[in-house]
Amino acid sequence: GQQLNQSPQSMFIQEGEDVSMNCTSSSIFNTWLWYKQDPGEGPVLLIALYKAGELTSNGRLTAQFGITRKDSFLNISASIPSDVGIYFCAGRFNAGNNRKLIWGLGTSLAVNP
Amino acid sequence: NAGVMQNPRHLVRRRGQEARLRCSPMKGHSHVYWYRQLPEEGLKFMVYLQKENIIDESGMPKERFSAEFPKEGPSILRIQQVVRGDSAAYFCASSPGGGAGSGNTIYFGEGSWLTVV
Repeated sequence: GQQLNQSPQSMFIQEGEDVSMNCTSSSIFNTWLWYKQDPGEGPVLLIALYKAGELTSNGRLTAQFGITRKDSFLNISASIPSDVGIYFCAGRFNAGNNRKLIWGLGTSLAVNP
Repeated sequence: NAGVMQNPRHLVRRRGQEARLRCSPMKGHSHVYWYRQLPEEGLKFMVYLQKENIIDESGMPKERFSAEFPKEGPSILRIQQVVRGDSAAYFCASSPGGGAGSGNTIYFGEGSWLTVV
């Protein structure tokens, strides 16, 4: 099925560093969602974006809905050990009953204290 | 995501048995989604349901798998005659529905881990 191109696939950083990851699509979306998943848990919604150009923050996290509606990025500032996990992007273009999210394969983040 | 309740959290079945996974959506949510996740992989869409209706089951295997979301009670994902390859984490998610915007945002449960021995 269709997938988003999410990069990087994995990152290993030092505590305190900033992190940036992004997702691109060949189709336009009207919703972008970013989730974090810890081992053995379900994905937790971090940020939801609904308008092209929208820039939204949630604490140290910032995400933007690209102007072209085909991409989004997530930034984490001043990383801490609990930021470790897998980050997923997901997007959707609503049309009628089409509510299926298209998912990236995830960015695995490791933080060295 | 605390509002989406899944049970059981862990389920062990022998090959050939049936597995039933339950999901109660967040209060006020009328849309339910089921996803499957294999170890070290992303989420794979299985099925999207509204009350009493299957809207999109394009991700469901053609055989042995079924899902329902009755008027009353939780959504059920049923796997008949399980095989080892069915071992995975199964996540339920729900959304309010409605039009664009926040009605599109889906919230996940903590998952049900199925192990087939």
